[in-house]
Amino acid sequence: NAGVMQNPRHLVRRRGQEARLRCSPMKGHSHVYWYRQLPEEGLKFMVYLQKENIIDESGMPKERFSAEFPKEGPSILRIQQVVRGDSAAYFCASSPRGPRDTEAFFGQGTRLTVV
Amino acid sequence: AQTVTQSQPEMSVQEAETVTLSCTYDTSENNYYLFWYKQPPSRQMILVIRQEAYKQQNATENRFSVNFQKAAKSFSLKISDSQLGDTAMYFCAFMKLNTNAGKSTFGDGTTLTVKP
Repeated sequence: NAGVMQNPRHLVRRRGQEARLRCSPMKGHSHVYWYRQLPEEGLKFMVYLQKENIIDESGMPKERFSAEFPKEGPSILRIQQVVRGDSAAYFCASSPRGPRDTEAFFGQGTRLTVV
Repeated sequence: AQTVTQSQPEMSVQEAETVTLSCTYDTSENNYYLFWYKQPPSRQMILVIRQEAYKQQNATENRFSVNFQKAAKSFSLKISDSQLGDTAMYFCAFMKLNTNAGKSTFGDGTTLTVKP
């Protein structure tokens, strides 16, 4: 049973380009969460999605960032027109039931470097 | 809003000894969960231990145990018989009850080095 899969593990983008980060949840999990980890800091919640729905995007920056979790395929975190401050590790987690879960399972993260 | 504070950015311990990592939190909630996660150099986030606030008994998982002081809003992690594989960053996290573990508030972490 594969865990949460994120790809790519490392992504380098030039300022102004777009970054697409992918997350495939664990089998049977329909709830996905994205976090950002800046250097020397803890994880900061960004967005919570179920299939085809954004449930909570209270941690998402208002501009340039978007997320989706389509009916088929992985969840995508998209960052448009990246800037140096977007350089961070982005983690995805998944859980099976959502509000009744007491544990989320994390992927290994995508390290985004903006040059 | 909840906050989680880890006041020790870095700690070290000799192999086989015991180390305690500190965590304090601030919340107006009465029912919640607290977690310790381990993040080794591979960056994988691994759940180490979980404590339910309405349970007075401190959680234990093999060499890992917590000292949960609800009134003081303190949640420290004790690692006994430290092993080289325990070298990692450790994060304390808070989750309100009836939300979900996917939406937690994390501290900034403590880097633990176990020395041979």
